Amino acid sequence: SQTIHQWPATLVQPVGSPLSLECTVEGTSNPNLYWYRQAAGRGLQLLFYSVGIGQISSEVPQNLSASRPQDRQFILSSKKLLLSDSGFYLCAWTLGVNTEAFFGQGTRLTVV
Amino acid sequence: GIQVEQSPPDLILQEGANSTLRCNFSDSVNNLQWFHQNPWGQLINLFYIPSGTKQNGRLSATTVATERYSLLYISSSQTTDSGVYFCAVKNYGGATNKLIFGTGTLLAVQP
Repeated sequence: SQTIHQWPATLVQPVGSPLSLECTVEGTSNPNLYWYRQAAGRGLQLLFYSVGIGQISSEVPQNLSASRPQDRQFILSSKKLLLSDSGFYLCAWTLGVNTEAFFGQGTRLTVV
Repeated sequence: GIQVEQSPPDLILQEGANSTLRCNFSDSVNNLQWFHQNPWGQLINLFYIPSGTKQNGRLSATTVATERYSLLYISSSQTTDSGVYFCAVKNYGGATNKLIFGTGTLLAVQP
């Protein structure tokens, strides 16, 4: 069966420090991968999605970037964190347009 | 892009009550899911329901794609049903790989 792993679960980082969050999927190949952010309150904002290795679509201009170095690995990065980058980051995968999406456990990032 | 609105935004119920949550979307969709976000932030898949009706225990969902809405029914609510309920859609004919979330309904079930 397919599983999605996301780490770390929680992270406290100072302003100006770099960021790297990793998401990996097991048990499938060529998934569509997504990064979402949930700020204070409850909306989930789509940040990036990828339909294949090296293919990244950015939804919101911001201080973050994403990369997909391997088929089942999706990385969210920042060179210098801002206070406004704090939030709950969720990774998700799906196999295509008409299939169900599944989410990782999330990373709670606090920038101090 | 497609807009996804959920109502009500907040809902307080007594244990045992029934409720209906609504998801309206502004364009045609080819994918619709309902999720429950628990107090730890985890998103739990409830239904994959681009059209039709499905039931799973005390929960059921109906999507009328031609009228651009979906409903989630919760019967005999329990305190463990508390949390935020989201619908999410993929836009038919648009960038079809984008999964867009609704605004959410915050449900509190009181004992």
